[in-house]
Amino acid sequence: QKEVEQDPGPLSVPEGAIVSLNCTYSNSAFQYFMWYRQYSRKGPELLMYTYSSGNKEDGRFTAQVDKSSKYISLFIRDSQPSDSATYLCASPGGGSNYKLTFGKGTLLTVNP
Amino acid sequence: EPEVTQTPSHQVTQMGQEVILRCVPISNHLYFYWYRQILGQKVEFLVSFYNNEISEKSEIFDDQFSVERPDGSNFTLKIRSTKLEDSAMYFCASSVGGANSPLHFGNGTRLTVT
Repeated sequence: QKEVEQDPGPLSVPEGAIVSLNCTYSNSAFQYFMWYRQYSRKGPELLMYTYSSGNKEDGRFTAQVDKSSKYISLFIRDSQPSDSATYLCASPGGGSNYKLTFGKGTLLTVNP
Repeated sequence: EPEVTQTPSHQVTQMGQEVILRCVPISNHLYFYWYRQILGQKVEFLVSFYNNEISEKSEIFDDQFSVERPDGSNFTLKIRSTKLEDSAMYFCASSVGGANSPLHFGNGTRLTVT
């Protein structure tokens, strides 16, 4: 069963654009969701994590969870070339906190 | 900002050889993990470690794999007899612990088995 699905892209936008990155999940027991950013040849870097439904904002980033449709989103406002990276959604699932299930990642390029 | 450090950044080994990948987690973290990412595929959970024992492992983590915290700072992943399909990026991570504590990842070791 594919538990976290993510469109791998690639996604290319001009600088200043609003970016929308999305994932779906299949297990309704999932409650916590994370977004990681991964630059080339680097490890995943935690951007945001959210619990249950609703929005969470941090600067130019907004994470959104819609549990009714099992849909999670990350919005980036005023995108910058430095935002160019692969964005990974993840969830520890309904059981152990230790075992993160990742999406495949979406490669984003922000063009100056 | 404290970070997870991994060495080496790249390891090349021949099939059948043993390798040890090393990690220094963030100093006040209590939970330690290994994940791997085969080229073009998802980041996959291998094992979690707490209080000097494995707390959970995936089906990938078979008898060829072992983990150890030999001292108060290092956390290692050993692969006893490497196979070609072990070639991947191996990421170490750590967390403070507690419910849904976020994981902090190192920059990985690229393992190439020839």
